[in-house]
Amino acid sequence: QQQVKQSPQSLIVQKGGISIINCAYENTAFDYFPWYQQFPGKGPALLIAIRPDVSEKKEGRFTISFNKSAKQFSLHIMDSQPGDSATYFCAASANTGFQKLVFGTGTRLLVSP
Amino acid sequence: EAQVTQNPRYLITVTGKKLTVTCSQNMNHEYMSWYRQDPGLGLRQIYYSMNVEVTDKGDVPEGYKVSRKEKRNFPLILESPSPNQTSLYFCASSLVGTSGANVLTFGAGSRLTVL
Repeated sequence: QQQVKQSPQSLIVQKGGISIINCAYENTAFDYFPWYQQFPGKGPALLIAIRPDVSEKKEGRFTISFNKSAKQFSLHIMDSQPGDSATYFCAASANTGFQKLVFGTGTRLLVSP
Repeated sequence: EAQVTQNPRYLITVTGKKLTVTCSQNMNHEYMSWYRQDPGLGLRQIYYSMNVEVTDKGDVPEGYKVSRKEKRNFPLILESPSPNQTSLYFCASSLVGTSGANVLTFGAGSRLTVL
């Protein structure tokens, strides 16, 4: 059972455009929502994360938007660059002490020059 | 440099030939975990360990074994590999805190092909 649903599976965006990746969850106990970025031949690495006490978090060109009532969160990449081409995973974990992360299925982003 | 090191990075083997993928971390992390990555399925957890001698099944444990005899090492053992275990494997580690912010550090991956 997929606890975090991610879409789209793949995405092609032109350089300078906005890339948007969406995730939805069911478990209302989730309260930590990170995004991981994975370049070819590398392991995933934490990109940005949000807690549900805010609706948006921005770090440079990367923004997480969070909608608690809809149980959805999304990653926006502004002014997308070819160097952003990677696989992106959303994830979630619950708030009771240490909880393992549950990952989405990943989105393969290609930014065309 | 803080890192998770996996070996081998690439391996081609045959059905039934036991193999071990090693994982070592130098960050004194309590939590370690193995994932497999398959197209369209994302990262699926195989096994995890909260500390030395404490291991537990993840979502897809069948056909795999692990051990955690030392804090820094968490090897993945395939006793009798089968072609459906052909995949990209990642080891990851993190601190065990109470903030709920589980920040995983991943290794570079081990691509396994079972013929």
